Amino acid sequence: DAGVTQSPTHLIKTRGQQVTLRCSPKSGHDTVSWYQQALGQGPQFIFQYYEEEERQRGNFPDRFSGHQFPNYSSELNVNALLLGDSALYLCASSRGGPLTSYEQYFGPGTRLTVT
Amino acid sequence: AQSVTQLDSHVSVSEGTPVLLRCNYSSSYSPSLFWYVQHPNKGLQLLLKYTSAATLVKGINGFEAEFKKSETSFHLTKPSAHMSDAAEYFCVVIPRDAGKSTFGDGTTLTVKP
Repeated sequence: DAGVTQSPTHLIKTRGQQVTLRCSPKSGHDTVSWYQQALGQGPQFIFQYYEEEERQRGNFPDRFSGHQFPNYSSELNVNALLLGDSALYLCASSRGGPLTSYEQYFGPGTRLTVT
Repeated sequence: AQSVTQLDSHVSVSEGTPVLLRCNYSSSYSPSLFWYVQHPNKGLQLLLKYTSAATLVKGINGFEAEFKKSETSFHLTKPSAHMSDAAEYFCVVIPRDAGKSTFGDGTTLTVKP
């Protein structure tokens, strides 16, 4: 049983560019959450997708957007990249949407470096 | 609104001695609480969770945590540390009717031989 997978593993972009990160949830999971983890800090919640809609959102600007596909996989898009967007981006999957006492399974992350 | 405070950024113990990692939380709603571990260059792994059943929760690798509502705490313990326990530990709160996860800043556990 494959766990949560993310691609790519590493990415280097230039300020002002746009980036798309991808996530496939664990088998049987229908809910995907995205987190940003800056160096030396805990993960910060970006948003959560369930039934192809954004259900919850953290304190991130509109430059951060996402999508969930019918097969439950998800994309995170970041526009107009800033140096401060450099971080490890984590995807987590779970079951049942935002109003359940669920446990999340995390992928290995995508390391984004903005130069 | 909710928040999580991990009271120690670094904890150092000797192998074979007890481990205590402290976590206090605040939440407007009755929360679910979790502890995750992150080894270097590896993904976050769930250690244990509290979701309103027994207040003493047992997890993997000998870890356990006790939910104390009166103290708004969810401290992580292990009776005897192993070298393989050296890692970053995160306490997480999710309000039951909201779904937004809040992570603490993490505690780095060092285990000395």
